[in-house]
Amino acid sequence: EAGVVQSPRYKIIEKKQPVAFWCNPISGHNTLYWYLQNLGQGPELLIRYENEEAVDDSQLPKDRFSAERLKGVDSTLKIQPAELGDSAVYLCASSSPSGLADNEQFFGPGTRLTVL
Amino acid sequence: DAKTTQPPSMDCAEGRAANLPCNHSTISGNEYVYWYRQIHSQGPQYIIHGLKNNETNEMASLIITEDRKSSTLILPHATLRDTAVYYCIGGYSSASKIIFGSGTRLSIRP
Repeated sequence: EAGVVQSPRYKIIEKKQPVAFWCNPISGHNTLYWYLQNLGQGPELLIRYENEEAVDDSQLPKDRFSAERLKGVDSTLKIQPAELGDSAVYLCASSSPSGLADNEQFFGPGTRLTVL
Repeated sequence: DAKTTQPPSMDCAEGRAANLPCNHSTISGNEYVYWYRQIHSQGPQYIIHGLKNNETNEMASLIITEDRKSSTLILPHATLRDTAVYYCIGGYSSASKIIFGSGTRLSIRP
């Protein structure tokens, strides 16, 4: 079974440029998460989708960050324009139907963003 | 979600049991305790979870105190591949919002 796929694995951009990250969750997983992880810290949730609906985007900086999951499968996270402080690892995770304690989150390898 | 407290780092000799503590004194009665780990340059990986009873799987054992204010993750025979950051998390469901802290960085000595 294929795991959560993310691309690109690494991205280097100059500040004020746009950037996009893509995530393909595990087949059949209707819940998808985007996390941000700064160096030396644990992941922080940016947004959670149930199918195509964003059910928790309270931590997403909406002035520059946007996300979509149009068909309830893969998802894109965008930053426009990027700032120096956005340098971090962006993690995508997925899980099967929510509300059950046994439904672990499966994480992708992440995209390491460097903003110069 | 319950706030958890973990030591920032620990080390253990290879082949010995690694015991990682976690305090979660504010956990509510129906919040689970989840453990994830993150190996360098990888995403976090689920290890185990429990509510009241002790749990064991192929990766680890989880011992939860009777008052549920703390727990210990036990890796019975630590190997070099267990070197990682271990996160203890309290939550109603692993599939809902979970809050990672800074975790414990476990180093295994050869």
